Amino acid sequence: GNSVTQMEGPVTLSEEAFLTINCTYTATGYPSLFWYVQYPGEGLQLLLKATKADDKGSNKGFEATYRKETTSFHLEKGSVQVSDSAVYFCARAGGTSYGKLTFGQGTILTVHP
Amino acid sequence: DVKVTQSSRYLVKRTGEKVFLECVQDMDHENMFWYRQDPGLGLRLIYFSYDVKMKEKGDIPEGYSVSREKKERFSLILESASTNQTSMYLCASTPGDLPAGNTIYFGEGSWLTVV
Repeated sequence: GNSVTQMEGPVTLSEEAFLTINCTYTATGYPSLFWYVQYPGEGLQLLLKATKADDKGSNKGFEATYRKETTSFHLEKGSVQVSDSAVYFCARAGGTSYGKLTFGQGTILTVHP
Repeated sequence: DVKVTQSSRYLVKRTGEKVFLECVQDMDHENMFWYRQDPGLGLRLIYFSYDVKMKEKGDIPEGYSVSREKKERFSLILESASTNQTSMYLCASTPGDLPAGNTIYFGEGSWLTVV
């Protein structure tokens, strides 16, 4: 079946450090891929998405490239801020899914000043 | 802006109680979902609905049921709450299929504690 695997956290960084959170997915069909972010006490917000191979999603300085050859969608940011501290979820949808998403387990990011 | 509203942010219920979690969306979306979120497990789909009175099981439907009598409202029901249902519950909606480029919108979540 469909699955998504994220790197285990938590991840702790200093402000302005480079961030990578790895995400891989099972290669059933041609799924759309997403990164969601959950700030403390809030619901999930869409951070970025990519709907086909080689697409790059980007938002708020974050980027992720849909890599079909490695079935990956790693999240990167060149210089993190304290305000980026949150839980990050990778997710996939595919085919006629009625909008169903399969999520990774989530990665907690803490950024220190 | 799309709004998905969950009626209760924090609930404490006793084992064996019947629990209702309500979700309302204001953008005429066809599809609605209930997920539960647990540390280390991410979000897991409980049930979803793609039309009024239509429902389908997700990955973990056991111990839950749902109701969708009106397009804007999707209710999650715990017939007899148990302590292993203590969790954060997230409702979501989307106008159509995600590969078509639509976005799924989430509510703020309902923290349920069963004692």
